[in-house]
Amino acid sequence: RKEVEQDPGPFNVPEGATVAFNCTYSNSASQSFFWYRQDCRKEPKLLMSVYSSGNEDGRFTAQLNRASQYISLLIRDSKLSDSATYLCVVNIDGANNLFFGTGTRLTVIP
Amino acid sequence: DTAVSQTPKYLVTQMGNDKSIKCEQNLGHDTMYWYKQDSKKFLKIMFSYNNKELIINETVPNRFSPKSPDKAHLNLHINSLELGDSAVYFCASSEMTSVSGQYFGPGTRLTVT
Repeated sequence: RKEVEQDPGPFNVPEGATVAFNCTYSNSASQSFFWYRQDCRKEPKLLMSVYSSGNEDGRFTAQLNRASQYISLLIRDSKLSDSATYLCVVNIDGANNLFFGTGTRLTVIP
Repeated sequence: DTAVSQTPKYLVTQMGNDKSIKCEQNLGHDTMYWYKQDSKKFLKIMFSYNNKELIINETVPNRFSPKSPDKAHLNLHINSLELGDSAVYFCASSEMTSVSGQYFGPGTRLTVT
């Protein structure tokens, strides 16, 4: 089983739509969780950390469910500029190593 | 101001050659990393390194070696390049632990012919 699993998509949604991605992780002792965004031919960029109580940053909301070992990302009022691949990232071993999911590709359509 | 920079951005070379990719960060971070992103876009860690410890992913061939002249630099040296080494290599940095996430360089696209 992979350390981090995501639905690769693609998700094609119209502008203004709400879209949600889920990600599951294998190690219940995982400590830190993140969502990264990667644009085509660019580097991954930290979108937001995911906190136990859930957290929001503008149109983006991240949730963590430790019991079921998944994290989610909700994007409200999608913009064309949200089109990218969203990477679920987990710090599984408590050290510095991050494990990346394969990413979920989102395309926002005009 | 570039936080994490890499050179070169593109590298095309022949099988059997030895090459290096340079990475520098000006964030004052203690830990640096090298990742490989293959053609399927899967991002996998190769090394993490701080001034005390080098952690090597055991699946990385020993043809790959990180070299750190100081805390702000972590270069990647590759010996005897193979076709399968073609990929995008990303350098990243973070504070001592990854709890605040890692910051990536722009990547080096390596093509081995």
